[in-house]
Amino acid sequence: QKEVEQNSGPLSVPEGAIASLNCTYSDRVSQSFFWYRQYSGKSPELIMSIYSNGDKEDGRFTAQLNKASQYVSLLIRDSQPSDSATYLCAVNTGTASKLTFGTGTRLQVTL
Amino acid sequence: ETGVTQTPRHLVMGMTNKKSLKCEQHLGHNAMYWYKQSAKKPLELMFVYNFKEQTENNSVPSRFSPECPNSSHLFLHLHTLQPEDSALYLCASSQEGLGLGEQYFGPGTRLTVT
Repeated sequence: QKEVEQNSGPLSVPEGAIASLNCTYSDRVSQSFFWYRQYSGKSPELIMSIYSNGDKEDGRFTAQLNKASQYVSLLIRDSQPSDSATYLCAVNTGTASKLTFGTGTRLQVTL
Repeated sequence: ETGVTQTPRHLVMGMTNKKSLKCEQHLGHNAMYWYKQSAKKPLELMFVYNFKEQTENNSVPSRFSPECPNSSHLFLHLHTLQPEDSALYLCASSQEGLGLGEQYFGPGTRLTVT
């Protein structure tokens, strides 16, 4: 069973702090990895994608991938209340962009 | 219209009704997907269409019937549903063969089966 594991949270961080969201996956042949943000009652929005080991930065977001440890993370710098949402980790485990999703981590940014 | 659109946004239907969900993508993509999202569960992939051909059917009950007339449109026909089918149904699209195959979602249809 190919799995993607996330801590459901809620993860609570103060405004301005760094939020660190983690995801582990079971299938070693996984090739590409995605982070989606989902606000309550809305659909998932793609915010980051990564396929090679190391860090990838986009604005306040940094995705980190370690294939040896089967671990991918998302860092959000200078967290804002508008970042409060559920963050879904998705892993491409096969062909035709078949994604396996985690259950998501709920992030709360407090004032 | 831009991105991925879905209609209707909300649907309430009885167990004996027949209804259809519609999805349209304006991104020039060649693959489309149906997902089901229930509370406390991960997104569940239901169907995949690649160049209008169905390439994936994740053991979905026959009361859900997909249709993909072209690479821009996708339908999900519903009949004799059960209350446990109440969920958010999401359509997504991607461009296969280029990049990482990022999927982009529509706003979803919130389905309630009574």
